[in-house]
Amino acid sequence: GQNIDQPTEMTATEGAIVQINCTYQTSGFNGLFWYQQHAGEAPTFLSYNVLDGLEEKGRFSSFLSRSKGYSYLLLKELQMKDSASYLCAVRADGKGANNLFFGTGTRLTVIP
Amino acid sequence: EAGVTQFPSHSVIEKGQTVTLRCDPISGHDNLYWYRRVMGKEIKFLLHFVKESKQDESGMPNNRFLAERTGGTYSTLKVQPAELEDSGVYFCASSRGGADFYGYTFGSGTRLTVV
Repeated sequence: GQNIDQPTEMTATEGAIVQINCTYQTSGFNGLFWYQQHAGEAPTFLSYNVLDGLEEKGRFSSFLSRSKGYSYLLLKELQMKDSASYLCAVRADGKGANNLFFGTGTRLTVIP
Repeated sequence: EAGVTQFPSHSVIEKGQTVTLRCDPISGHDNLYWYRRVMGKEIKFLLHFVKESKQDESGMPNNRFLAERTGGTYSTLKVQPAELEDSGVYFCASSRGGADFYGYTFGSGTRLTVV
């Protein structure tokens, strides 16, 4: 089976840095995605990791360790608009290779 | 380019009724996916189309759910008869290729409430 774990809620202060962790246990691995979702809106793509290491994109960075089944999303210089749910999703391989397995999401609240 | 469009955005129906959800993927995207999020749970895969063919429907909960994608363009997901546990948000996503680096573009979802 597939198991994706991430914290349910986090709170951070505007201007600070926050790290959202995700651990996964899946039958096969073919990439890990992070999505941002504001309430009532579509999940929007943030980052993709398939090899170990850090991928940086502006204020957002994502890290992957395949041997540990672990990823994190790092958000720097937090802004109020970053308050949203952050979804970790893993793409398996083999049967269902094109499907995503999601965690329950981390609701981030940015406070002034 | 236009995004993935879903209709309706909200639907409230009574138990036992039929509801049909529609998804218009991004033009040219051969891959179309349906996902569902039940309250408090994670988003879960339902099925995957490649053009008009069902590639994988292993996530469909039972035979009350029927998905079609005639002509390989838009898709519909019919729930008949609806049950209370079918309530949730139904997302559609599309992608150019099965291993698209950029992942999947999601629609805003249809919030289905069965009362």
